Parts: sequence; structure tokens; C-alpha cells
Amino acid sequence: QQQVKQSPQSLIVQKGGISIINCAYENTAFDYFPWYQQFPGKGPALLIAIRPDVSEKKEGRFTISFNKSAKQFSLHIMDSQPGDSATYFCAANPSPPRDNYGQNFVFGPGTRLSVLP
Amino acid sequence: GAVVSQHPSWVICKSGTSVKIECRSLDFQATTMFWYRQFPKQSLMLMATSNEGSKATYEQGVEKDKFLINHASLTLSTLTVTSAHPEDSSFYICSANDGHSSTDTQYFGPGTRLTVL
Repeated sequence: QQQVKQSPQSLIVQKGGISIINCAYENTAFDYFPWYQQFPGKGPALLIAIRPDVSEKKEGRFTISFNKSAKQFSLHIMDSQPGDSATYFCAANPSPPRDNYGQNFVFGPGTRLSVLP
Repeated sequence: GAVVSQHPSWVICKSGTSVKIECRSLDFQATTMFWYRQFPKQSLMLMATSNEGSKATYEQGVEKDKFLINHASLTLSTLTVTSAHPEDSSFYICSANDGHSSTDTQYFGPGTRLTVL
């Protein structure tokens, strides 16, 4: 119930195309859904995040779509660029925090995106 | 803002030696820090969670005597890999949050690549 499923495992997109990565969860206690971008040899960087009270959030070329009833959320990268080639992780934050410690996330397995020039 | 640093960025050591990795929040006070381990092409595996001034909470299967965590101040946490062996070779990443419920966000360090010969 604490898992976050993510698909596809890898994705190849032509430059200028739309990259779509999907995630699904079971635990209805999750109330915060961030996406992280990780380049090889680097730590993950927060890309965009959404809460369940909205169905969509857009920041530049990145959009999160959230379907609360289906317990699914997705990342859309518009006008994909070769510089977007990275591994993307979705995550979900269980609430309340476990053991009164700070918020801890459950991460998806990741999607390796390759954008061809 | 919300920058987390790690030192060293990479380290090579001989089997049987101990290695200390530092994680610092540079522009905020981190009430909670997390330590992750990441194998190639895999997701983040949470090792432990620590609050400043308290003992760390280790995930199941993580040896607390092997991976010593000290969260001595609100800006510094250290992970010491004791008596390192080649199977401990991995990418270690820390993250921190500032404890504000409004953010619920983890900020990751750049990671430390440990190679045990």
C-alpha cells in the first residue's frame, strides 16, 4: 500500500515531442506528489509538485496532471529537449509523518528519458 | 535557496577502513535529514531518518552499527560507513527538509560516490 508505481521504465522521444510519465498509488493518505529529475552522477532535483486539491499544475514546459479518483498522476514535458534527458522519479508523501519525524517520501522506480536531437 | 551540499563528492577507500560523508544544509535549518543509497539505474533506497539531537531511525535491513549517523546540528548530518567492504560501494545521497508543513519538500544533496577496493 506504500508503493508508488511508475511507467514506462524508459522512454525515447524526439526533440520537440511530448514526454509522458505515469505514476499510480494506493494509499489515500498520500497528500503531496513531487517529481524529481536526476542527471547521472547527481542528486535528484525537485522539478514540480502537486497537492490533491488541484487537478493540474503547470510550470513552464512541465505539467502535472492529477486524477484523485483514479489515484494516478502524470508528468508531461512539452517540447522535449535533449537537455531533458535524465531519470525522472515520482514520489508521494504519506501524511501524517511517520513516527513524528519529518516528511518522508515513497519513490517510484524511475523513468529514464532520452530525447533524441 | 534550499541548498544541500555533500562532502566528499567521491571517495575511494580500502576494504576495512571507515569513511565519513557530510551533509550540510547551506541556507536553512534542517530539522530532519534523510540518507539514501542508490544502485546504478535504480531508485532511491531510504537508509535512515534523523532528527537533530536524536538517534536516527533506520529502515529495516540497514545495519545501524555499520552505517553510523550523527545529526549533531540543524545544518549538519554525517554518515559513517564503518569497516567498509566492496559491497558497500554505492552512491549515497542525503536530503533535508526544513520542517515547515507548508513545504513538505525534501531537498537533495549532490551525492557521494563511494568505491571500496
